[in-house]
Amino acid sequence: QQQVKQSPQSLIVQKGGISIINCAYENTAFDYFPWYQQFPGKGPALLIAIRPDVSEKKEGRFTISFNKSAKQFSLHIMDSQPGDSATYFCAARRNEKLTFGTGTRLTIIP
Amino acid sequence: DAGVTQSPTHLIKTRGQHVTLRCSPISGHKSVSWYQQVLGQGPQFIFQYYEKEERGRGNFPDRFSARQFPNYSSELNVNALLLGDSALYLCASSSDRWDTGELFFGEGSRLTVL
Repeated sequence: QQQVKQSPQSLIVQKGGISIINCAYENTAFDYFPWYQQFPGKGPALLIAIRPDVSEKKEGRFTISFNKSAKQFSLHIMDSQPGDSATYFCAARRNEKLTFGTGTRLTIIP
Repeated sequence: DAGVTQSPTHLIKTRGQHVTLRCSPISGHKSVSWYQQVLGQGPQFIFQYYEKEERGRGNFPDRFSARQFPNYSSELNVNALLLGDSALYLCASSSDRWDTGELFFGEGSRLTVL
């Protein structure tokens, strides 16, 4: 049972554009929603995270938008750069366990 | 400061063999979790340990086991390896309680089962 659905599977954005990745969850017991960035051959690195009592969180070029009633959250990358090319995973936590989405492979083209 | 360190980084085993993977958490972190990441998919939760006690177990067979030592390092053991166990095994540590701290991942141990 996939509890966190992530889309799109892959995304190509021009340099300077906005990258948007969406996730939806089912379990209302989730209490923490992080986004991870993973480069080939590396482990996931925490990018930004939000708790369900907040509708938006911004850190630099990265913003999480959270819609509790719709059980959806999204990552926005502003002014996307070639160095942002990586795989991005949304996740949701309940107790000790993080449930990850299936990942989005982001490619930023010049 | 050193991050989460894992060893070995790569290893090749044959079906039926046993493997032990090791993890050292960030200094001061008391919580260690293990995740399995199959190629092209998101990580899947295997175990979580906090203060040397198992706090959670994912949907993995009994062939998978783990433990945490007094210095908070951890081992993941997999017996009777199957081809489907080929994956990147990730260790993550957290400073706080197992249900409140942010998770920091190591670079993983890539296991290939032939």
